[in-house]
Amino acid sequence: GAVVSQHPSWVICKSGTSVKIECRSLDFQATTMFWYRQFPKQSLMLMATSNEGSKATYEQGVEKDKFLINHASLTLSTLTVTSAHPEDSSFYICSALTDRGLDNSPLHFGNGTRLTVT
Amino acid sequence: GEDVEQSLFLSVREGDSSVINCTYTDSSSTYLYWYKQEPGAGLQLLTYIFSNMDMKQDQRLTVLLNKKDKHLSLRIADTQTGDSAIYFCAESMDSSYKLIFGSGTRLLVRP
Repeated sequence: GAVVSQHPSWVICKSGTSVKIECRSLDFQATTMFWYRQFPKQSLMLMATSNEGSKATYEQGVEKDKFLINHASLTLSTLTVTSAHPEDSSFYICSALTDRGLDNSPLHFGNGTRLTVT
Repeated sequence: GEDVEQSLFLSVREGDSSVINCTYTDSSSTYLYWYKQEPGAGLQLLTYIFSNMDMKQDQRLTVLLNKKDKHLSLRIADTQTGDSAIYFCAESMDSSYKLIFGSGTRLLVRP
């Protein structure tokens, strides 16, 4: 089946530093990847749509300069949280879209990255 | 606007059936999904249904869709303790696969 790998699975950083989260599709190519954010005991909120070779499309209310997204290849998208603050602490999840219909679903989720900013 | 709602909590005994409900507001939804999330983990797709279907069954899972009432349900037969998790319904309105998630239902299965 299709596998999406997120790295790191958890990270602790100090306020003011930047953190990069990677989302890789291991056995398929993904022209489109999505980044979600989940606060404790809450639902997932779509942050942005990442398209290979072009600029990401951000949802309303998401700061482009704070959450930098780069989709440099068909198997890798990165989310960089710049100048992180404690309110950025959250669970970040990516999903990758394939048109091959693997496992009867075109969308495959990573296992998430838990970010804690101290 | 887009809004997907779920009840927050459900508790059942092991072996009973669980029914998790979801309502959505956008009638142009094309796909509706059920995902399972265990603590600290990502999302596992359980099943999905096209908007032109009324029912889909997959082993212990049965999905019912009432388009008129914009109501989606997930029935888990013979619920096991391993089914304890948070269940999210989600809808996508078009071919972009941007998902709108419900608030999630925490299912607790008591031995």
